[in-house]
Amino acid sequence: AQSVTQPDIHITVSEGASLELRCNYSYGATPYLFWYVQSPGQGLQLLLKYFSGDTLVQGIKGFEAEFKRSQSSFNLRKPSVHWSDAAEYFCAVGAATDKLIFGTGTRLQVFP
Amino acid sequence: EPEVTQTPSHQVTQMGQEVILRCVPISNHLYFYWYRQILGQKVEFLVSFYNNEISEKSEIFDDQFSVERPDGSNFTLKIRSTKLEDSAMYFCASSEQGGRSNQPQHFGDGTRLSIL
Repeated sequence: AQSVTQPDIHITVSEGASLELRCNYSYGATPYLFWYVQSPGQGLQLLLKYFSGDTLVQGIKGFEAEFKRSQSSFNLRKPSVHWSDAAEYFCAVGAATDKLIFGTGTRLQVFP
Repeated sequence: EPEVTQTPSHQVTQMGQEVILRCVPISNHLYFYWYRQILGQKVEFLVSFYNNEISEKSEIFDDQFSVERPDGSNFTLKIRSTKLEDSAMYFCASSEQGGRSNQPQHFGDGTRLSIL
């Protein structure tokens, strides 16, 4: 069965520091992978997606993610975090059908 | 940029009452979805809808739930007789294409449903 694991429930970083949020997936075929961000009281905004091709994908707000098939991972990175990046981040895999399967999310806190 | 809009943003309902959550998907999108997020838990798929019929539903989507596209713009989720455990944030999403396509799902801001 398809699943997504985000091992870190809560991460705290200082503004300007680098960030890496972990995501591992379980899926039998080539996965479609997504990162969404949810700011307080708001919906899910797509940060980036991977379908095929280059395993390093660029997204909005300076985020990038790297697909590593050998590790079943799709970690999200940002070289320098801004206070406005504080939010909840969800990794998701597109299943064989229409649905998205989400991880439990990682809450990012940014200290000035 | 086009958005998925959901109304109301917050709905408070007595247990046992019917509730209808409304969504206006992005206008050229053909696939529509409902997800829910119980407080502190992950976002869960409920149902997908295409060509005026359900294409997939989860085990959560039982007989108490129904979806409808009553006109060319709205997409609704109805819960017939609400239970306390239906309290959650409900997200509507839409996409140009479905399934294993390269078109991502775009989400609305959600409706927070509180059952008393």
